[in-house]
Amino acid sequence: DAGITQSPRHKVTETGTPVTLRCHQTENHRYMYWYRQDPGHGLRLIHYSYGVKDTDKGEVSDGYSVSRSKTEDFLLTLESATSSQTSVYFCAISDGNTIYFGEGSWLTVV
Amino acid sequence: LAKTTQPISMDSYEGQEVNITCSHNNIATNDYITWYQQFPSQGPRFIIQGYKTKVTNEVASLFIPADRKSSTLSLPRVSLSDTAVYYCLVGDNGNNRLAFGKGNQVVVIP
Repeated sequence: DAGITQSPRHKVTETGTPVTLRCHQTENHRYMYWYRQDPGHGLRLIHYSYGVKDTDKGEVSDGYSVSRSKTEDFLLTLESATSSQTSVYFCAISDGNTIYFGEGSWLTVV
Repeated sequence: LAKTTQPISMDSYEGQEVNITCSHNNIATNDYITWYQQFPSQGPRFIIQGYKTKVTNEVASLFIPADRKSSTLSLPRVSLSDTAVYYCLVGDNGNNRLAFGKGNQVVVIP
C-alpha cells in the first residue's frame, strides 16, 4: 500500500467549529488530492495540489480550504463545519500516473 | 475532463467471469483509462490501467476497442470477496483534476 496516513480517522464535531484533516505521505509524490464520498454521489474532488503551495479547487470546494507547506503534508480545513459536511474524506496522492488513496477520515458534524 | 458512464449495479455468481463496462465518449488523445476497486469503509484501490487494445495483470484484464470510447474490465472467476464498487477513470498522466463517476456496484452471489 502507498504510504498515506490520514488523521484523524474518526471525528465528531459540533456545527460551527473549525476542523482540520491531515494527509501525510511518505512517497514524495507531487500531486495530492482531497475527495469526499457520500451515498449516491460517489467520489467528488474537493481540492488538489500539484506542488508545495500550489493548490486549486475541485468540483465541491465551497466551505473548504487547503494548505500544502511541505511535499508530504496536505491539510484540509473546514473553517466552520456544517452538517452537510458530514462525510467520509479520502486523501489521495499521485506520481502523475496512478492515484493511490488513503483509508479515509470519517467526519460527523452534529 | 472525459466523463464516464457505468451501469449502477450488477450481480454475478461465484466462479463466473464478470465484465464491467464503461463509456467515455469524449476521451482525449492523451487520456489513459484506469479502473479502481473499492470495498466498504476503505479507499479505492488501483486495479489496472490501459491506453488501447488489451492489458492483463494478475487481477484483471482491460479491453479497449480501437475508438477508445468505451472499455471493459474483466474479472475472471469472481469470488465473494470481489463484491465491491468498481470505478472507471479517464484522464491523462499528470491530469490533476481527475473526476470519478458513481461507480458500478458488483455483488457476487454464492
